[in-house]
Amino acid sequence: DSGVTQTPKHLITATGQRVTLRCSPRSGDLSVYWYQQSLDQGLQFLIHYYNGEERAKGNILERFSAQQFPDLHSELNLSSLELGDSALYFCASSVALEPYTEAFFGQGTRLTVV
Amino acid sequence: AQTVTQSQPEMSVQEAETVTLSCTYDTSESDYYLFWYKQPPSRQMILVIRQEAYKQQNATENRFSVNFQKAAKSFSLKISDSQLGDAAMYFCAYSGAGGGADGLTFGKGTHLIIQP
Repeated sequence: DSGVTQTPKHLITATGQRVTLRCSPRSGDLSVYWYQQSLDQGLQFLIHYYNGEERAKGNILERFSAQQFPDLHSELNLSSLELGDSALYFCASSVALEPYTEAFFGQGTRLTVV
Repeated sequence: AQTVTQSQPEMSVQEAETVTLSCTYDTSESDYYLFWYKQPPSRQMILVIRQEAYKQQNATENRFSVNFQKAAKSFSLKISDSQLGDAAMYFCAYSGAGGGADGLTFGKGTHLIIQP
């Protein structure tokens, strides 16, 4: 158990809908990263929050947004969903800002868009 | 932009044998970190080993070791005495150390099969 909790584990929704994925980082970790894992794109970095502030954006679509709350949990919001958004979404947490600090991954949320 | 390439989509090894997974990367940075992550069927990403680019000595963690060739931009993972529990997807990943906050850049992965 990495100490990072993601909910829900599985999510099935229809095209055009909006969903929210939740991540609770390890106790004491200030950084939260979101990644998308799909068959065609592989593992891609989406966005990084540190202590409530957005610090870096990767290949995140405009239909996606995220935030980190004062209690340090984070949510990834996906809207106007398309079939191609079906993927495994991971969050990872680490204690420091620097991305080379060891990060601990959650078990992911499997999103299926039908 | 940095890229990470894993040229072996799948590898197979007999239990107790040694296997080497390949990874090459491209970067213009002089200081960076390289990682190998394991993703078993449970799908959770687990850090196997980490290498700092400015360190000459290859990192080792028990049965796992790396061969880091900075000039060749190569970072291979050697697994000795392979065990059934080593069966998983293995991802090579890169992180810059120049002050940016971007997440890791991953390769496409190598599926490792352990034959009993």
